[in-house]
Amino acid sequence: EVQLLESGGGLIQPGGSLRLSCAASGFIFNKYAMTWVRQAPGKGLEWVSVISDSGGSTFYTASVKGRFTISRDNSRNTLFLQMSSLRAEDSAIYYCARNGGVGPFSAADFWGQGALVTVSS
Amino acid sequence: EVVLTQSPGTLSLSPGERATLSCRASQSVSNAYLAWYQQKPGQAPRLLIFDASSRATGIPDRFSGSGSGTDFTLTISRLEPEDFAVYYCQQCGHSPLTFGGGTKVEIK
Repeated sequence: EVQLLESGGGLIQPGGSLRLSCAASGFIFNKYAMTWVRQAPGKGLEWVSVISDSGGSTFYTASVKGRFTISRDNSRNTLFLQMSSLRAEDSAIYYCARNGGVGPFSAADFWGQGALVTVSS
Repeated sequence: EVVLTQSPGTLSLSPGERATLSCRASQSVSNAYLAWYQQKPGQAPRLLIFDASSRATGIPDRFSGSGSGTDFTLTISRLEPEDFAVYYCQQCGHSPLTFGGGTKVEIK
């Protein structure tokens, strides 16, 4: 059974940093690209970033480029999102998801339950 | 950036009725890399359709997707009580992989 478990969320002050982790199990992690998607309270889904299966290619939405870094440790079956210079508008539930198709440009077929990040003083 | 516009914003229907949801892209979506997701309150999204018309594993055949280029449609042939939720489209052909704003299907 595919499982994705996010951790590392919490309350952080504006300008601060936070690292989210996503522990994957039930599939061959290094065969799949992985994605982060966020959802602000009461709002729609926003795609944040994707990383290829090897970690060699990464893509970001414009609003986080230069502040967020996606990475993965295939030896530990874990996906990361390092977030810095956090702003109030980054407050959201952050979902980790597996890309089901070939390469990073594919739909997300399994999702974690999400980690809540709140940026507030 | 490819902007996806979903309509209507809210669809009020009764169980057993047919639901037709629209997703329009600001430019042609490469290879029809268009996906549809369902989200219920307090839950993570669930993939329904990928590549515009392929059903994901375990998705009932009352869900179908169609379209190409800039116009895509999700159809639920006969609404079941568990289908009342918010539906999002996402294009996966261009970075950033954008989502539409969602359509809420509510019980009339």
